[in-house]
Amino acid sequence: DIQMTQSPSTLSASVGDRVTLTCRASQSIGKWLAWYQQKPGKAPKVLIYEASILKSGVPSRFSGSGSGTEFTLTISSLQPDDSATYYCQQYNDLHTFGQGTKVEI
Amino acid sequence: EVELVESGGGLAKPGGSLRLSCEASGFTFREAWMSWVRQAPGKGLEWVARIKRGIDEARSTDYAAAVKGRFFISRDDSKNTLYLQINNLQAEDTAVYYCARIYDIWSAYYAYWGQGTLVTVSS
Repeated sequence: DIQMTQSPSTLSASVGDRVTLTCRASQSIGKWLAWYQQKPGKAPKVLIYEASILKSGVPSRFSGSGSGTEFTLTISSLQPDDSATYYCQQYNDLHTFGQGTKVEI
Repeated sequence: EVELVESGGGLAKPGGSLRLSCEASGFTFREAWMSWVRQAPGKGLEWVARIKRGIDEARSTDYAAAVKGRFFISRDDSKNTLYLQINNLQAEDTAVYYCARIYDIWSAYYAYWGQGTLVTVSS
């Protein structure tokens, strides 16, 4: 089974900061990675798929990069509405989520 | 507009069974791959099961190791409904269970999610 490891577990930053979240896969998954944002009591919402493609309607301050085993999600200018938990998910071989990164503002 | 509405959650006793349902609308259900994802209270997301379409993939199923043998995913394309049968319920099955639609067979991320249904296992 492919394991996904996210870091950090929690991130505290200020409005306007540039923040980077990391996700590592236990084996190569190519480009088959998605990033989700989840707010308390709500279902997750996809932000990025195929590692770097921004889902329609998602603000352009979100971007994704990476391939193989190392991936990042960057928020270029943190906004109050970005306070949430972010999950990566591989879909190269079945599906596995990372444990999440909670972003506090 | 795509809509996924889960039902069937509630309080159940250890060792018991539950069947969750997910009614889909706004897309051609029979052509979609579907999954169940769960989230224990205060914890992260956990993929549970996936079912492919019946058209050319015989509704083949896959399960996470943690639930294999106790959970069974199925679909009724005539009713646009996805199911999850959970047997021999255990305390660790307590979670919100989300129904999710895979975007397409070429890019299997979760494009759409339901609102979730809470399963609580307790005596």
